[in-house]
Amino acid sequence: KNEVEQSPQNLTAQEGEFITINCSYSVGISALHWLQQHPGGGIVSLFMLSSGKKKHGRLIATINIQEKHSSLHITASHPRDSAVYICAVLVYSGGGADGLTFGKGTHLIIQP
Amino acid sequence: SQTIHQWPATLVQPVGSPLSLECTVEGTSNPNLYWYRQAAGRGLQLLFYSVGIGQISSEVPQNLSASRPQDRQFILSSKKLLLSDSGFYLCAWSRLGLGNTIYFGEGSWLTVV
Repeated sequence: KNEVEQSPQNLTAQEGEFITINCSYSVGISALHWLQQHPGGGIVSLFMLSSGKKKHGRLIATINIQEKHSSLHITASHPRDSAVYICAVLVYSGGGADGLTFGKGTHLIIQP
Repeated sequence: SQTIHQWPATLVQPVGSPLSLECTVEGTSNPNLYWYRQAAGRGLQLLFYSVGIGQISSEVPQNLSASRPQDRQFILSSKKLLLSDSGFYLCAWSRLGLGNTIYFGEGSWLTVV
């Protein structure tokens, strides 16, 4: 069973700061998702990556398959970035539904 | 475009009462469908998944059940709720296979009292 660890669990920063959230996992994976959960509970997928780096606006996600580690970065953070960020790893079974394992999330608060 | 909806958004139910949460997907066919639960202070936990009509796999033994009566409809049920069933329930869908992202519904907050 894959163990997914996120750090930090809680992060409070000032507007404009560069934010890094880390995710490590124990078993080789097929892909990794970064998800954003807003206070109301709704979840949206930010990135899915299996190698290298992806960028979308002020968000950057990287993954190192050999080190079993991924990071989510937020540049020029803004209060609207305040949310819970969840890392989820995918082990593709090939025979049925994809097996996602989730981290517990990082609660980010950006203060103005 | 594809959309996913689940309801109700919030509900408060007494212990021992039944439960029915419904999820529908639009704009795609033969999706993989999932029910997840997020308990307070814990990560998302997969409860059920389905790869087709009438095909349900359970990940966690519990007093919940799931059904898929139609291709794009997924229902989470319980005959008698327990206090421990309280939590945030999310429906999701994806395409089977590597490289496909997963889409989540809006979620349902269940409080069992």
